[in-house]
Amino acid sequence: QSALTQPASVSGSPGQSITISCTGTSSDVGSYNLVSWYQQHPGKAPKLMIYEVSKRPSGASNRFSGSKSGKTASLTISGLQAEDEADYYCCSYAPGSTLVFGGGTKLTVL
Amino acid sequence: QVQLVQSGTEVKKPGASVRVSCKASGYTFTSYAMHWVRQAPGQRLEWMGWINTGNGNTKYSQKFQGRVAITRDTSASTAYMELSSLRSEDTAVYYCAREGNVVLAPRAFDVWGQGTMVTVSS
Repeated sequence: QSALTQPASVSGSPGQSITISCTGTSSDVGSYNLVSWYQQHPGKAPKLMIYEVSKRPSGASNRFSGSKSGKTASLTISGLQAEDEADYYCCSYAPGSTLVFGGGTKLTVL
Repeated sequence: QVQLVQSGTEVKKPGASVRVSCKASGYTFTSYAMHWVRQAPGQRLEWMGWINTGNGNTKYSQKFQGRVAITRDTSASTAYMELSSLRSEDTAVYYCAREGNVVLAPRAFDVWGQGTMVTVSS
């Protein structure tokens, strides 16, 4: 199972919105609405931000939203804040009860 | 509160095995699956496998098939990940992560352990 494809880096200024894409295949992202997104600050464990493509767990800011079209899922962060600077990973359910992560995207808040 | 506490740092020689533990508290251990995810220094998250903590069934990533074993001790609310035939490329932080239930966060990891650093070096 190959890793999902994410841009290596994105950046934005405080207050702006950014979107991170996550492209898979027709076997994973394209087949299941089971894409999740994680935020990871340096030296810390990941934190769940979005599950089932667009649902937000309690504790995740409502500035984070998710969507999917075909084989590509997206994470949008609106009203960028300095604390949003982190690495972001997508993850999808895949055939055979397996899961696959994306390559990760480093978000820089300018 | 719900938490996963992992065992401490390990240093192993190539060819050896390592076992990392993950003790759960604050919830019914057998009601949630447990996954293991690793992250080499400066690299991406990598899914290794999971265990149905209720019946003990497991599923592993093809990459680790034959080298990894995930087990659990329900009486101790603890999951274990053992990786054998270690090589330098296995140097990484290993995380256990709870999968949400069918109502909340299915196939997503809603609680994470603090991570265990495993270094493989001669």
